[in-house]
Amino acid sequence: NAGVMQNPRHLVRRRGQEARLRCSPVKGHSHVYWYRQLPEEGLKFMVYLQKENIIDESGMPKERFSAEFPKEGPSILRIQQVVRGDSAAYFCASSPGSFYEQYFGPGTRLTVT
Amino acid sequence: GDSVTQMEGPVTLSEEAFLTINCTYTATGYPSLFWYVQYPGEGLQLLLKATKADDKGSNKGFEATYRKETTSFHLEKGSVQVSDSAVYFCALSYSGAGSYQLTFGKGTKLSVIP
Repeated sequence: NAGVMQNPRHLVRRRGQEARLRCSPVKGHSHVYWYRQLPEEGLKFMVYLQKENIIDESGMPKERFSAEFPKEGPSILRIQQVVRGDSAAYFCASSPGSFYEQYFGPGTRLTVT
Repeated sequence: GDSVTQMEGPVTLSEEAFLTINCTYTATGYPSLFWYVQYPGEGLQLLLKATKADDKGSNKGFEATYRKETTSFHLEKGSVQVSDSAVYFCALSYSGAGSYQLTFGKGTKLSVIP
């Protein structure tokens, strides 16, 4: 069974550009979570999505960040007009339900120059 | 708010050495505690967990005991192998609503040399 796939694994963007991070959950999982790990910090919860719905976005920055999980295709974390402070590792996880173990992807490392 | 503090890495050990990675937490309630492991190039995997005070989680020779009095959940292994080289994350969450929100420590990188 394929695990959670994230791409790209490394992404370099200049300040002001847009970053799109993709996450393909484990087959059959309809719950997706995004976490961010800033330098020298632990992973922090950002958003929880089910197919076509945002369940909890309490950890998302209010501006420039958005997430979606369409009926078909991967979940997308979108960061508009990136700034240097967005440089971090972004991890996606999936589960078959909200009270189940989360399976993590290898992460996308975003560098903003 | 809730937080998890892990010992600073990297940690380098010889094969068959004893491993301890310290983890303490600050929480307003009574969380469940977890250890995750990330092998090179892979995603984080759940290693073990404990859901209440004095519970011991164990897996693959690793173990950790939930100590409410010291708010700690230290990871131990009696004899490490080269294949244990990875980054280890301590984490917590609460049961019930919002249980999907995991709070992680910074991670501790372990390197085991032959």
